[in-house]
Amino acid sequence: AQSVTQLGSHVSVSEGALVLLRCNYSSSVPPYLFWYVQYPNQGLQLLLKYTSAATLVKGINGFEAEFKKSETSFHLTKPSAHMSDAAEYFCAVSHTGTASKLTFGTGTRLQVTL
Amino acid sequence: NAGVTQTPKFQVLKTGQSMTLQCAQDMNHNSMYWYRQDPGMGLRLIYYSASEGTTDKGEVPNGYNVSRLNKREFSLRLESAAPSQTSVYFCASRRTAGGEKLFFGSGTQLSVL
Repeated sequence: AQSVTQLGSHVSVSEGALVLLRCNYSSSVPPYLFWYVQYPNQGLQLLLKYTSAATLVKGINGFEAEFKKSETSFHLTKPSAHMSDAAEYFCAVSHTGTASKLTFGTGTRLQVTL
Repeated sequence: NAGVTQTPKFQVLKTGQSMTLQCAQDMNHNSMYWYRQDPGMGLRLIYYSASEGTTDKGEVPNGYNVSRLNKREFSLRLESAAPSQTSVYFCASRRTAGGEKLFFGSGTQLSVL
C-alpha cells in the first residue's frame, strides 16, 4: 500500500519569504514521488518528480524538493515566494509496475500576501 | 496538440439520472485515469486503465463504470447519479506507469441535485 500525508491544508507566507510545504510518504517499495500544482479552475501540472536519481530535485518556477528516506519525507521548498505561486499543491506517490497507480495527498493551499 | 480533452466542462443532473463523461488523449499514452476532487480530500482515484483493454478499480469505484474504448478514449459512466457524486472529475493519462508524469484534462464540474 502507498499513501502520502500533507501537513497543513493552508499555508500563508509573505511575498519574498521562504515557502515550505510538507509531505511524508508511506510505501512498501522504493517510491516515485511527485509534486503537482493546481491553479484555480485548471487541471494539475507537474512541478517536479523524484525517480531514484538525485535526492535533491529541481522543478519549474524555482521550486525544489529533497527526498529523505530516513524521514520518509519529500518536502517542497522555494527560497522566495511570488504572488503567482498562490495555488494548491499536491504531493503524490507511485511505484514501478505497469498497473501502478498515482496516489495523491489532500493538498495544501498556498496563500502569498504582500 | 490538444493533450487530454474532457467533455462536458459543466453538468447538472437530477438524482437518478445517468450520464457519461468523455475523455480522449492524443499523446499515444498507454495508461489513463479518472479522479474525483473534493474539498479537503485531494484527488481520489475512481478507475484506471493501465493499457488498452484493461481496467481496474481505484479507491472510490462504487457508483461508477468505465470503458476503455480504444487507446485514445476512456469514458466514465454514472448509471444512477447521487448527490454524493457532486464533484470535479479529472481525466489523466501517461505514457506508462511508474515514474512517468500524468497529463491532466481541465476537469468536469458535476452537480447532482
